[in-house]
Amino acid sequence: DAGVIQSPRHEVTEMGQEVTLRCKPISGHNSLFWYRQTMMRGLELLIYFNNNVPIDDSGMPEDRFSAKMPNASFSTLKIQPSEPRDSAVYFCASSLQGTSGSPLHFGNGTRLTVT
Amino acid sequence: QQQVKQSPQSLIVQKGGISIINCAYENTAFDYFPWYQQFPGKGPALLIAIRPDVSEKKEGRFTISFNKSAKQFSLHIMDSQPGDSATYFCAALNAGNNRKLIWGLGTSLAVNP
Repeated sequence: DAGVIQSPRHEVTEMGQEVTLRCKPISGHNSLFWYRQTMMRGLELLIYFNNNVPIDDSGMPEDRFSAKMPNASFSTLKIQPSEPRDSAVYFCASSLQGTSGSPLHFGNGTRLTVT
Repeated sequence: QQQVKQSPQSLIVQKGGISIINCAYENTAFDYFPWYQQFPGKGPALLIAIRPDVSEKKEGRFTISFNKSAKQFSLHIMDSQPGDSATYFCAALNAGNNRKLIWGLGTSLAVNP
């Protein structure tokens, strides 16, 4: 089991540029979550999918953020245009939903720096 | 609005000592309380979890104590080791809110050798 795979590990971009973060969940998991982590706000849930369908995107900060899950093995989080305040570590996590309390399996994150 | 309040923000413990991290919640609809451990450069990983029908759960050196009436739960790390140095997050799962995990802000634990 390769775990949740995120790419890239680090991304440095200039303000105004488009940023795309990628995630491959654990095979067989049917729920996928995108989180943002900062020192000030901790772990924030941005959006989560169940069976490839977005269930709750109330955590997406603004229209500049969008997420897709075209199939069970791939998801993207896009920021367009990026701003310095978007600098954070973005985590993708997956779980096998259906039983309460299914553990989240996190990837190692993408550290985004917007200058 | 912080629905799960975690303390302390940081903690320094000597090797062999007991590390204690506390969390408090308000929403009685929470029905699952996990603790996650995060090392630098890694994502959080589930450490141990408890449901409100038990008051304590132990796995090796890690114990969760749960007080339903006080709406508090805590993580105890016995015989703390330098390898336990990490950030610890408590969380609570809301059965009625799309089952989203509500996270504490984390505790940075440093265990001195």
